[in-house]
Amino acid sequence: RKEVEQDPGPFNVPEGATVAFNCTYSNSASQSFFWYRQDCRKEPKLLMSVYSSGNEDGRFTAQLNRASQYISLLIRDSKLSDSATYLCVVKALMNYGGATNKLIFGTGTLLAVQP
Amino acid sequence: DAGITQSPRYKITETGRQVTLMCHQTWSHSYMFWYRQDLGHGLRLIYYSAAADITDKGEVPDGYVVSRSKTENFPLTLESATRSQTSVYFCASSDPGLAGGYYNEQFFGPGTRLTVL
Repeated sequence: RKEVEQDPGPFNVPEGATVAFNCTYSNSASQSFFWYRQDCRKEPKLLMSVYSSGNEDGRFTAQLNRASQYISLLIRDSKLSDSATYLCVVKALMNYGGATNKLIFGTGTLLAVQP
Repeated sequence: DAGITQSPRYKITETGRQVTLMCHQTWSHSYMFWYRQDLGHGLRLIYYSAAADITDKGEVPDGYVVSRSKTENFPLTLESATRSQTSVYFCASSDPGLAGGYYNEQFFGPGTRLTVL
């Protein structure tokens, strides 16, 4: 089983639609979670961190469900410029459980927003 | 210019040749990373470095060598390139910061597209 799993998509949605991505992670002790965005043929960039209580940044909402070990990203009022691959990311833990600076990336979910 | 840069951006080489990919960052971040990105696998960590002269293996280190004599540079060398090393290579950097490393961001370079014939 992969440490971080995502539906690869593609998700084809019309402008203005609401779309949700889910991601599951295998290590129940994981502490830090992120969503990165990657445009075609570009480098990944941090979209938002995911906090235990959930967090919102404009049209984007991230949620964490520790019991089910999944992370979600909700995009409201989709724009053409939202078209990209969204990467679910979990921070790796050391063997003794301490935090590291290593990230584990999902394979990404492709979003295509149609006019 | 400030930021993280990679060179070359594109490279075509032949099987068996040695290739070095360069990575340079101007933020004085202590951590630097090398990833490769392949279809179906996502980003996989090759090597990382916590500081100058401190490096460690990631998920897929075989066939690669790294060094870090200066904080700002982290070159990746393919000692004898193979076709399976055809990929997009990303360098990244981060700083543990005051949060103890829990929420610190990794900043990525623009990538190097390597083709091994």
